[in-house]
Amino acid sequence: GESVGLHLPTLSVQEGDNSIINCAYSNSASDYFIWYKQESGKGPQFIIDIRSNMDKRQGQRVTVLLNKTVKHLSLQIAATQPGDSAVYFCAENTSGTYKYIFGTGTRLKVLA
Amino acid sequence: SAVISQKPSRDICQRGTSLTIQCQVDSQVTMMFWYRQQPGQSLTLIATANQGSEATYESGFVIDKFPISRPNLTFSTLTVSNMSPEDSSIYLCSVASGGGQPQHFGDGTRLSIL
Repeated sequence: GESVGLHLPTLSVQEGDNSIINCAYSNSASDYFIWYKQESGKGPQFIIDIRSNMDKRQGQRVTVLLNKTVKHLSLQIAATQPGDSAVYFCAENTSGTYKYIFGTGTRLKVLA
Repeated sequence: SAVISQKPSRDICQRGTSLTIQCQVDSQVTMMFWYRQQPGQSLTLIATANQGSEATYESGFVIDKFPISRPNLTFSTLTVSNMSPEDSSIYLCSVASGGGQPQHFGDGTRLSIL
């Protein structure tokens, strides 16, 4: 088994329901944000990104919301499926720099 | 996005030994990075691998412990030297086209030290 996510906060969601994963970011100068999905035994996979000139961005079944006032980022997954079970990380970046700061991660468990 | 291959995918090593991890990308990339992910934790940047020059290390990581090479725009290695059980982690290679651009990751090397 994979050791990633053993001690992370866990969100349990019924299959078919919507999931909301939250992230508080640390740097008020950050202007670029990414959500990653990490499945057991794999590296983080890019899901969706958003820049600070937007407050909402939609992808396929996913929506990212950005609230710069309170430095909060959320990932909404519609109609959650078993394949969505993974650890989700937010990452923040300041444009023009290479360094990303990763959040602590949330483990999403989809219940059948 | 680029396809990133890491070798080995996992290893079990004796303390005091060293292991070199390889990262191969299927296209030329501007930036390559090495991260560590300790059990149950998030990702921590070790260093930026610079092509043709010394890597840029983050606070808490030093070249003697984690020597890095990047001979060209598609390949990099990370060596974990004089390993101890505390070095048991997942080591991840990532690439990006530049600052403020998405980073994409390999599947990592799962390292256990006995």
